[in-house]
Amino acid sequence: GQSLEQPSEVTAVEGAIVQINCTYQTSGFYGLSWYQQHDGGAPTFLSYNALDGLEETGRFSSFLSRSDSYGYLLLQELQMKDSASYFCAVSQDSSYKLIFGSGTRLLVRP
Amino acid sequence: DAGVTQSPTHLIKTRGQQVTLRCSPKSGHDTVSWYQQALGQGPQFIFQYYEEEERQRGNFPDRFSGHQFPNYSSELNVNALLLGDSALYLCASILLSASTDTQYFGPGTRLTVL
Repeated sequence: GQSLEQPSEVTAVEGAIVQINCTYQTSGFYGLSWYQQHDGGAPTFLSYNALDGLEETGRFSSFLSRSDSYGYLLLQELQMKDSASYFCAVSQDSSYKLIFGSGTRLLVRP
Repeated sequence: DAGVTQSPTHLIKTRGQQVTLRCSPKSGHDTVSWYQQALGQGPQFIFQYYEEEERQRGNFPDRFSGHQFPNYSSELNVNALLLGDSALYLCASILLSASTDTQYFGPGTRLTVL
């Protein structure tokens, strides 16, 4: 079967750093994506890793270890607007079919 | 440059009815994927259309069908609606030839089945 595990909820303080982990078990692996979704909104692409290592995009970074079937999203200098759900998603091939985790709800407190 | 648009935004149907949802991809994009997102869950892949053909399909029954038009817009049809079909239906737009990893999601259609 296919499964992606991520924490259901994380709470952090404004200005802090938070890491959201994702472990996956899938029959194929091509890359790991991260999406942000505010309540009532559309998922928005944040980051993508196909190779091991760290990808940095502004305040957001994403890491992948293919040998450990593990990745994480790192959010720095947290802002109130970062309160949202964050999803990791695996693509098994180049077809862009995504398998999503259940999401991590991030609450940023003042 | 218009992003991905979906219609309608909300829909209420009763069990056994049929529904059609519509998606217009981002300008220049040629591939549309459809996802179902139940409350509190991640999106689940339904199917993907490219060049007016179903290219890939997820684990959904035949009650779920789709279509892509020459202008790349797409429809999702669901027959014999069940209570469990209540969800947010998202379409994602991709430019398949561009070797980009980004999918652009529309705002979704919230379907409620009573």
